[in-house]
Amino acid sequence: DAGITQSPRHKVTETGTPVTLRCHQTENHRYMYWYRQDPGHGLRLIHYSYGVKDTDKGEVSDGYSVSRSKTEDFLLTLESATSSQTSVYFCAISAGEGGEAFFGQGTRLTVV
Amino acid sequence: QQQVKQSPQSLIVQKGGISIINCAYENTAFDYFPWYQQFPGKGPALLIAIRPDVSEKKEGRFTISFNKSAKQFSLHIMDSQPGDSATYFCAARVNSGGYQKVTFGTGTKLQVIP
Repeated sequence: DAGITQSPRHKVTETGTPVTLRCHQTENHRYMYWYRQDPGHGLRLIHYSYGVKDTDKGEVSDGYSVSRSKTEDFLLTLESATSSQTSVYFCAISAGEGGEAFFGQGTRLTVV
Repeated sequence: QQQVKQSPQSLIVQKGGISIINCAYENTAFDYFPWYQQFPGKGPALLIAIRPDVSEKKEGRFTISFNKSAKQFSLHIMDSQPGDSATYFCAARVNSGGYQKVTFGTGTKLQVIP
C-alpha cells in the first residue's frame, strides 16, 4: 500500500467521545488527505495537508480537525464523535505536481 | 453538489462479457481523469487514467473512452473475469497552486459471474 499505514484499522467508540485516527507514510510525500467513504457517496474529502503544519478543509470537514507536526504523520480527530461519523476513513498521499494518489487500507469507525 | 456523476450503481456481467461504467463531469477545469479499483477491505488503487487531450486509452483489458465535448468518460472492461469483481470509482482532478483536488464518483459495484 505504497508505504501508508493507518491505525487503528477498526474502532468502536461511544457518542460524544473524542477519537483520533493516525496515518503514517514512509514515502516522504508532501500531500496527505483524509477521506471518508459511505455507500452512495463515494469518497469525500475531509481535510488535506500540503506540508508540515499546513492544512485545509475539504468538502465534509465539520466535526473533524487534523494536525500534521511531521511529514510522515497526519492525524484526524473527531472532537466529539456522532453516529453520522460512522464510516470507513481512508488516508491518501501524493507527491503533488501531477503525482498519483495512493490510499491506505482504511479505518472502519463505528460510533454507537 | 456532485461534480462527477457515475452510473450504474451496480453491474452484473457474465464472465467473458464487457463491463461498461459511465461518468459525467461538469467542471471544465478538470485536467486528469483516473479510475480506481477497490476490493473489499482494501483502499482504492489506481487502475488507469486519461488526460482530456486523448480520446481513448487502453491498458490490457481496460479501456477509457473520453468525450471532451460531452464531458463524459467511460471505463470498458473487456473479457470480464470473476477477479475483476470490485467497486470502481471514476474521478476527476484539478490542479490548484500545486494542490491536487480529486473529486470521486459514487462508485460502481461490479460482479462478474462465472
